[in-house]
Amino acid sequence: ETGVTQSPTHLIKTRGQQVTLRCSSQSGHNTVSWYQQALGQGPQFIFQYYREEENGRGNFPPRFSGLQFPNYSSELNVNALELDDSALYLCASSLGREHEQYFGPGTRLTVT
Amino acid sequence: AQSVAQPEDQVNVAEGNPLTVKCTYSVSGNPYLFWYVQYPNRGLQFLLKYITGDNLVKGSYGFEAEFNKSQTSFHLKKPSALVSDSALYFCAVRPYSGNTPLVFGKGTRLSVIA
Repeated sequence: ETGVTQSPTHLIKTRGQQVTLRCSSQSGHNTVSWYQQALGQGPQFIFQYYREEENGRGNFPPRFSGLQFPNYSSELNVNALELDDSALYLCASSLGREHEQYFGPGTRLTVT
Repeated sequence: AQSVAQPEDQVNVAEGNPLTVKCTYSVSGNPYLFWYVQYPNRGLQFLLKYITGDNLVKGSYGFEAEFNKSQTSFHLKKPSALVSDSALYFCAVRPYSGNTPLVFGKGTRLSVIA
């Protein structure tokens, strides 16, 4: 059984650019959540996908968008990058809302 | 809105001594409560959860946590700390019902000294 994987590991982008981050959920998990973890902070919820539909969204602007695919893998897209978007982006999968989430290693995004 | 407070940014403990990492929460209705651990340059690893039932929850690596509804607390404990327990610990909560997301605390850095 493979765990949650994320790609790329690290990414450097320029302000105003767009970025796509990818996540493969743990086998059998149909729910994927994305989090932003700024330095020295706890993870902040961005959104959640359940069976390819958005199932909740945190306090992030519309330039943060996502997708979930039939195999339950997921993408996080961020448009018009800002310096404050620099953070560790974590993906987590679970069997459902009441179950614990299993996290990937994260993608470290640096915006210059 | 739900929230989590981890009042200590840093906890230092000697190897072999018991450790406690504190967490208090605020949520409407009954809570789901979780503890996660984060090692450097890694994602979060699940330690344990409280859903319902016994107030003392046992988890991975010898950790346990006690749910106290009257004090709205869910402190993480371990009887004998190891140097390898040194990491960043996060408490998280969400309501039992409704479609609200998991909310994390700011984290507590545990340092176990040999």
